[in-house]
Amino acid sequence: QKEVEQNSGPLSVPEGAIASLNCTYSDRGSQSFFWYRQYSGKSPELIMSIYSNGDKEDGRFTAQLNKASQYVSLLIRDSQPSDSATYLCAVNGGNTPLVFGKGTRLSVIA
Amino acid sequence: DAGVIQSPRHEVTEMGQEVTLRCKPISGHDYLFWYRQTMMRGLELLIYFNNNVPIDDSGMPEDRFSAKMPNASFSTLKIQPSEPRDSAVYFCASSLGGGRGNQPQHFGDGTRLSIL
Repeated sequence: QKEVEQNSGPLSVPEGAIASLNCTYSDRGSQSFFWYRQYSGKSPELIMSIYSNGDKEDGRFTAQLNKASQYVSLLIRDSQPSDSATYLCAVNGGNTPLVFGKGTRLSVIA
Repeated sequence: DAGVIQSPRHEVTEMGQEVTLRCKPISGHDYLFWYRQTMMRGLELLIYFNNNVPIDDSGMPEDRFSAKMPNASFSTLKIQPSEPRDSAVYFCASSLGGGRGNQPQHFGDGTRLSIL
């Protein structure tokens, strides 16, 4: 059973701080890693993808991947109240569909 | 470009009725996925198709659930008969698998289903 684990939160950070969201996965053969943001009552929206070890930056977002530790994280710099949402980690291993974590709820306090 | 289109957005019906949810994937995408999301269980994969062919339906909870994809631009998820525990948000997603299935999925707006 392939699993993706996330802390459900809520993770509360003050406005302007760095929010750090973490995800671990069980399938060592996983190749593709995604972060989705889901606002309350809305659908998941892709915000980051990462395929190789290391960091990938896109604006205020940085995805970090460590395949040896089976760990992927998302950093949000200069957090804004509009970043308050649930963040879903999704992982797959080639020909298998994505396995989603249950998400971490982030609350950015103004 | 149009994204994944789902209908209806909201459905309220009585227990025992048939419910049909509809999805139009992004043009050119060869994978289509149906999910159910609840607070308790999160996002659950029900079934997915590749080139209109069902690949894995192991997530379909019961025989009351069925899904079809008659062509590349249309899929349905049917529940018959419906029960109150089927109340959830149902999402359809599509992706361009490229034969490796490692591309991100793009989600529709979902159908919020309430069974009374």
